[in-house]
Amino acid sequence: AQSVTQPDIHITVSEGASLELRCNYSYGATPYLFWYVQSPGQGLQLLLKYFSGDTLVQGIKGFEAEFKRSQSSFNLRKPSVHWSDAAEYFCAVGAGYNNNDMRFGAGTRLTVKP
Amino acid sequence: DAGVTQSPTHLIKTRGQQVTLRCSPKSGHDTVSWYQQALGQGPQFIFQYYEEEERQRGNFPDRFSGHQFPNYSSELNVNALLLGDSALYLCASSLRLAGGDEQFFGPGTRLTVL
Repeated sequence: AQSVTQPDIHITVSEGASLELRCNYSYGATPYLFWYVQSPGQGLQLLLKYFSGDTLVQGIKGFEAEFKRSQSSFNLRKPSVHWSDAAEYFCAVGAGYNNNDMRFGAGTRLTVKP
Repeated sequence: DAGVTQSPTHLIKTRGQQVTLRCSPKSGHDTVSWYQQALGQGPQFIFQYYEEEERQRGNFPDRFSGHQFPNYSSELNVNALLLGDSALYLCASSLRLAGGDEQFFGPGTRLTVL
């Protein structure tokens, strides 16, 4: 079965600094990969997704992620972090025709220092 | 266009009781998935409904059951509540014909079991 590992539980960056959140997946076939963001007390909002094609995908709010099959990774990046980016970030891998068994990582909590 | 809605927002129950949570999918979506998110964890897949049938199930006991109605809305039922069932329950909707397309999440129902 597919699985996701987010090695960093908590990351602190200064506002304006660059950001990279790590995600490693395990899945035998070509995965469907997602990054979601969750603010306190809220549901999940999709930042970006990868199904196929260009391995560098652009998302909302200035985020991007790069799929590296050789490393089984799908790291999320942002060149300049804003205070409003402070939240919990989840990487997920979907499987099956309709992603009917989506597996999430444990999440990375991002703190932004002024 | 209303997104995914869930009710109630918060719920407090005692051990042994039964609870029903409700979800209305995003307009145009026909598939509903339910997830359990314990505090500090990523969401865990419970099950998915399409055409009023359970299509896929995660590693949850039979105490967790669901239903999908002809208008695509869905209910999650949990019997014989345990303290460990305390969590945020998330509903997500998608369009099956879209294949591996993204799931849109609702804000969740916070269940507390005392």
